[in-house]
Amino acid sequence: EPEVTQTPSHQVTQMGQEVILRCVPISNHLYFYWYRQILGQKVEFLVSFYNNEISEKSEIFDDQFSVERPDGSNFTLKIRSTKLEDSAMYFCASSADDYGYTFGSGTRLTVV
Amino acid sequence: AQSVSQHNHHVILSEAASLELGCNYSYGGTVNLFWYVQYPGQHLQLLLKYFSGDPLVKGIKGFEAEFIKSKFSFNLRKPSVQWSDTAEYFCAVKRNTDKLIFGTGTRLQVFP
Repeated sequence: EPEVTQTPSHQVTQMGQEVILRCVPISNHLYFYWYRQILGQKVEFLVSFYNNEISEKSEIFDDQFSVERPDGSNFTLKIRSTKLEDSAMYFCASSADDYGYTFGSGTRLTVV
Repeated sequence: AQSVSQHNHHVILSEAASLELGCNYSYGGTVNLFWYVQYPGQHLQLLLKYFSGDPLVKGIKGFEAEFIKSKFSFNLRKPSVQWSDTAEYFCAVKRNTDKLIFGTGTRLQVFP
């Protein structure tokens, strides 16, 4: 069964540093998403991406965040200057039709 | 504001007990409804989904959910839980081209 792959599985970074979280969506999917889950809290929407541009973003997704699909296969989330409160599990998802989402196994980001 | 409510935050059951987890949403109009499961240390997996048709939906691992439009509810049920059902369960709602929105989750612990 096709999978969404995320790397790394765990990243530790110092406050103020830039991080890039990587995702390889399912190959024939057209819609891509990032969600995050702060420990003990609900899964929150960050951003959706379609046709090489952001289609929707939440208020969490401020100027410190950006997404890219640099080579037609990877889908990356960049946090320019990490804060302690960015510590969370970040999930990538993809969909063929904007309805059936397949989630990756997540990247646990720890900002120290 | 649009929201998804899961009133049971933590449920503890013995094996073979019956399970019902509540989910209510606040959207009007046509919605697509989902239940996801997150086993400890793993990614979100789709349990079942409702788009249209029979409001009683059967999913994987013996789970089912019933869409009751008049109550804006989509409760998850399983007649007899197993220890391996210990996980976090998330209800999620999607309306048209809007993003998928998750509830706060219900942590289920099943004891042998």
